[in-house]
Amino acid sequence: NAGVTQTPKFQVLKTGQSMTLQCAQDMNHEYMSWYRQDPGMGLRLIHYSVGAGITDQGEVPNGYNVSRSTTEDFPLRLLSAAPSQTSVYFCASSYGSGGNGYTFGSGTRLTVV
Amino acid sequence: ELKVEQNPLFLSMQEGKNYTIYCNYSTTSDRLYWYRQDPGKSLESLFVLLSNGAVKQEGRLMASLDTKARLSTLHITAAVHDLSATYFCAVDEASGTYKYIFGTGTRLKVLA
Repeated sequence: NAGVTQTPKFQVLKTGQSMTLQCAQDMNHEYMSWYRQDPGMGLRLIHYSVGAGITDQGEVPNGYNVSRSTTEDFPLRLLSAAPSQTSVYFCASSYGSGGNGYTFGSGTRLTVV
Repeated sequence: ELKVEQNPLFLSMQEGKNYTIYCNYSTTSDRLYWYRQDPGKSLESLFVLLSNGAVKQEGRLMASLDTKARLSTLHITAAVHDLSATYFCAVDEASGTYKYIFGTGTRLKVLA
């Protein structure tokens, strides 16, 4: 049981490049979310999903796309990277009505130069 | 738009002392979560509070929820150095949406 697996752990992009941050969970969790963490700003919700085929926007969705074709995977796509997207990205998943809280992945540290 | 405010943002305290971290929120949600984050690490779930008046305790930490006041507290009893971390509360934007909004966090440093 690996929990929530995020790849890569570190990434450096040039402005304008695109990439996909991968997130997979093996706990059969329905709910998955992407957050970004910036110093002094806590965690901000980018996109979330309540099940396969269902996604919705969070607080800061601009510049990011998601899809949820399977229960296990919830990739986050950066369409055209900008320096403002330099951050630590966390994927999280939860079962049912959030009764146990989110299980977080280990994070991806992204730098856009 | 849901606002989740924590205070204090920074807290430095001596070992053995008691203190309380506050989490105020602006929605009518009755679900609130507390997480811990060590420097450079991911977040770990501490408490899940799912109804008004809920109280949970684990070791030196106790969390409570007052949905009428839209307030949760995380009380630290007889702090020890190992409790040094950043603590976040998170609230469901509205009951059943599963759209969880986090506070900005409280960075706790316990001095020996």
